[in-house]
Amino acid sequence: ETGVTQTPRHLVMGMTNKKSLKCEQHLGHNAMYWYKQSAKKPLELMFVYSLEERVENNSVPSRFSPECPNSSHLFLHLHTLQPEDSALYLCASSQDGTGGGRLEKLFFGSGTQLSVL
Amino acid sequence: TQLLEQSPQFLSIQEGENLTVYCNSSSVFSSLQWYRQEPGEGPVLLVTVVTGGEVKKLKRLTFQFGDARKDSSLHITAAQPGDTGLYLCAGEGAGNNRKLIWGLGTSLAVNP
Repeated sequence: ETGVTQTPRHLVMGMTNKKSLKCEQHLGHNAMYWYKQSAKKPLELMFVYSLEERVENNSVPSRFSPECPNSSHLFLHLHTLQPEDSALYLCASSQDGTGGGRLEKLFFGSGTQLSVL
Repeated sequence: TQLLEQSPQFLSIQEGENLTVYCNSSSVFSSLQWYRQEPGEGPVLLVTVVTGGEVKKLKRLTFQFGDARKDSSLHITAAQPGDTGLYLCAGEGAGNNRKLIWGLGTSLAVNP
């Protein structure tokens, strides 16, 4: 496989469930990101990991808990979510963790479409 | 707070037509990126523009960065159904603030 792979593609969960989203990158990159994409809102950067160390946490509620065991894998653990957390969750990777821009490209996975009932 | 406004929000055209979509801000960006997101997929980077006034071409797509680096446009010539998707612009902050600021996107449908 190449690129950035996310599983599952779709997830429906109740507000009391615990689930995890998985992301794997096969590009040899050092940085990985979680983004949230909701209708009528710009892409929201949630977390950034560079060399397995969390370097950014953008005021995300504690019901979202990221984990980066190595530079190729990233997880987002979910618990007691709210209906307003329903969104497309995108994982991305880049070479060095500067977040995209003129110096490096962001590569996105296909996303996990999450519905919280 | 830096904001990026994209227009139009939705666009539905026939195959073969030309179109232009816009990305505007009151803030200066050190670079600006255009992404295309197809249904059920993540965004894919199309181009990065860096210099004010810069024009880049990618087959039938022409990207321009405004002279003041506050705005950008994407022109598609002879649109094809394969151009259908959500076109997102993202501006990289100037100075020490290098975070990407994202627009809401233009949703383009090209009908056969």
